[in-house]
Amino acid sequence: DQQVKQNSPSLSVQEGRISILNCDYTNSMFDYFLWYKKYPAEGPTFLISISSIKDKNEDGRFTVFLNKSAKHLSLHIVPSQPGDSAVYFCAASGDWGSNYKLTFGKGTLLTVNP
Amino acid sequence: NAGVTQTPKFQVLKTGQSMTLQCAQDMNHEYMSWYRQDPGMGLRLIHYSVGAGITDQGEVPNGYNVSRSTTEDFPLRLLSAAPSQTSVYFCASSYSGTSYGYTFGSGTRLTVV
Repeated sequence: DQQVKQNSPSLSVQEGRISILNCDYTNSMFDYFLWYKKYPAEGPTFLISISSIKDKNEDGRFTVFLNKSAKHLSLHIVPSQPGDSAVYFCAASGDWGSNYKLTFGKGTLLTVNP
Repeated sequence: NAGVTQTPKFQVLKTGQSMTLQCAQDMNHEYMSWYRQDPGMGLRLIHYSVGAGITDQGEVPNGYNVSRSTTEDFPLRLLSAAPSQTSVYFCASSYSGTSYGYTFGSGTRLTVV
């Protein structure tokens, strides 16, 4: 049973517009959430995170929103740039009382068109 | 700083062969992990370590062994390679768990024939 779900395998947006990537989770024990970006033939790169005690975290063009009651989080990228084209993974931790094991979603391929 | 270094980058093995995937970090991170990425599956945790001498199993540990004799190194051993172990393997390290984010290596692409 998949505990972190990214239901959109791909997303295409125009340069300058907003990109919204979604993630749902089923395990209520998760208390920390992260987004990673991955380019082909490279390892994932940490992008932004949020603790379950917050509902929003911003870092430049990237904002993550957390809705605990809905077990849903989203990553907003504004404005989107062609260099943002990559696979984005949502990840969660806190299960089993640990903060060092990450459970990943399957990823969403974002394509930003010039 | 080199960050997290994985070797080799590519490897082809025959079924039944054994090998070790190397992982080294120079950031003095206590936490280290191994993940595998398969098409349509995201990344899945194989084994992890919270410090030298301490390791534990993740979600998909079967067929793999690890050890952590130093803070810097966390090798992953395939005991008897099987085609199902064809995957891309990522090593990651963190200072103190997920609140600091994990730094990933560039990966090892393994093919078992």
